[in-house]
Amino acid sequence: NAGVTQTPKFQVLKTGQSMTLQCAQDMNHNSMYWYRQDPGMGLRLIYYSASEGTTDKGEVPNGYNVSRLNKREFSLRLESAAPSQTSVYFCASSVGAGYGYTFGSGTRLTVV
Amino acid sequence: SQQGEEDPQALSIQEGENATMNCSYKTSINNLQWYRQNSGRGLVHLILIRSNEREKHSGRLRVTLDTSKKSSSLLITASRAADTASYFCATDGMDSSYKLIFGSGTRLLVRP
Repeated sequence: NAGVTQTPKFQVLKTGQSMTLQCAQDMNHNSMYWYRQDPGMGLRLIYYSASEGTTDKGEVPNGYNVSRLNKREFSLRLESAAPSQTSVYFCASSVGAGYGYTFGSGTRLTVV
Repeated sequence: SQQGEEDPQALSIQEGENATMNCSYKTSINNLQWYRQNSGRGLVHLILIRSNEREKHSGRLRVTLDTSKKSSSLLITASRAADTASYFCATDGMDSSYKLIFGSGTRLLVRP
């Protein structure tokens, strides 16, 4: 099993460019999440999808949009990248509320 | 927003010793989880303890939860060099068990 797959693994953007981070899970999990991790810090929740067809804001949603394309896929879009969005982005999935998360290996994004 | 805060921020021990990390949080929870992150990798779920549980074991890991003090501890017994990693606690909220909020982590170094 691949678990949670994130693409790309690395990306450099210029300020103002847009991009979409892709995430797919093959564990038939209901819930999916996007977090960002800045140096020396914990993870901050950007958006989550409790189940297919629903999405909700987390702690730091500004500047991002998400799409739960189907049960397997949950994408994160940066419409106009800013240097403050330089971070490592992690996608995760879980069976549902009250269960552990499975994380992807992350996307390291630099905005110059 | 509520958040788990780990203590200490960094811990250095000799192989074979025990490592104890603490986590405090602010508001009532349904469950608390611990994760490990090796350098440059995604997070790995270690253990979940529910609010009505006081102690849980998994291999060399022991987690305790004191809801009256809003605190938890993670004990790693007989540590190994391979245990070197960052450890994070994460709490959900009574308003939404879907949203896990992570602390800033404890960096553990196990010296061979």
